[in-house]
Amino acid sequence: GNSVTQMEGPVTLSEEAFLTINCTYTATGYPSLFWYVQYPGEGLQLLLKATKADDKGSNKGFEATYRKETTSFHLEKGSVQVSDSAVYFCALRTNAGKSTFGDGTTLTVKP
Amino acid sequence: GAGVSQSPRYKVAKRGQDVALRCDPISGHVSLFWYQQALGQGPEFLTYFQNEAQLDKSGLPSDRFFAERPEGSVSTLKIQRTQQEDSAVYLCASSHMFGGALGYEQYFGPGTRLTVT
Repeated sequence: GNSVTQMEGPVTLSEEAFLTINCTYTATGYPSLFWYVQYPGEGLQLLLKATKADDKGSNKGFEATYRKETTSFHLEKGSVQVSDSAVYFCALRTNAGKSTFGDGTTLTVKP
Repeated sequence: GAGVSQSPRYKVAKRGQDVALRCDPISGHVSLFWYQQALGQGPEFLTYFQNEAQLDKSGLPSDRFFAERPEGSVSTLKIQRTQQEDSAVYLCASSHMFGGALGYEQYFGPGTRLTVT
């Protein structure tokens, strides 16, 4: 079956540090890949997505590239801010429609 | 208009009680999904509707769980004879696209936190 493995947290960084959250997946077929963010007290929000190999998704300074050869979709940001503190979920979706999520990585950014 | 809404936001049930959780998707969205999110874990798929048709219920953990969407809009997830292991956040998501289209956005509601005591 499909599965997503993401870097265990929590991750604590200082403001302006570089962020990487690793995500690897196992899937049948050719999935679309997603990163979602959940801010404290709020629901899941789509952060970025990529639908085919070598696509790069980007939003709010975050980036992730769909790497089929390594089955990875690592999330990166060059300079994090305190406001980026949240839980980040990597997910995949096949043409069956349902999404498979990782367990989430909690990021705390300190001033 | 408004996003996906869910009610109640919080529900405490005594073990053995039945509960009903409601999801109001974005108007006009044909696809609706239910997920269960246990504490410290990612959401796990429960069931999927395309309009009023329940096309996939492979994630429902037992026959105590039942979902419906009779008119293709509002959906209700019902849990009968609740158990402590049912305690979780139940998330609803909707989309204007059919399930077979890749890359479309699913919009999530805020969830209902169910605590079974």
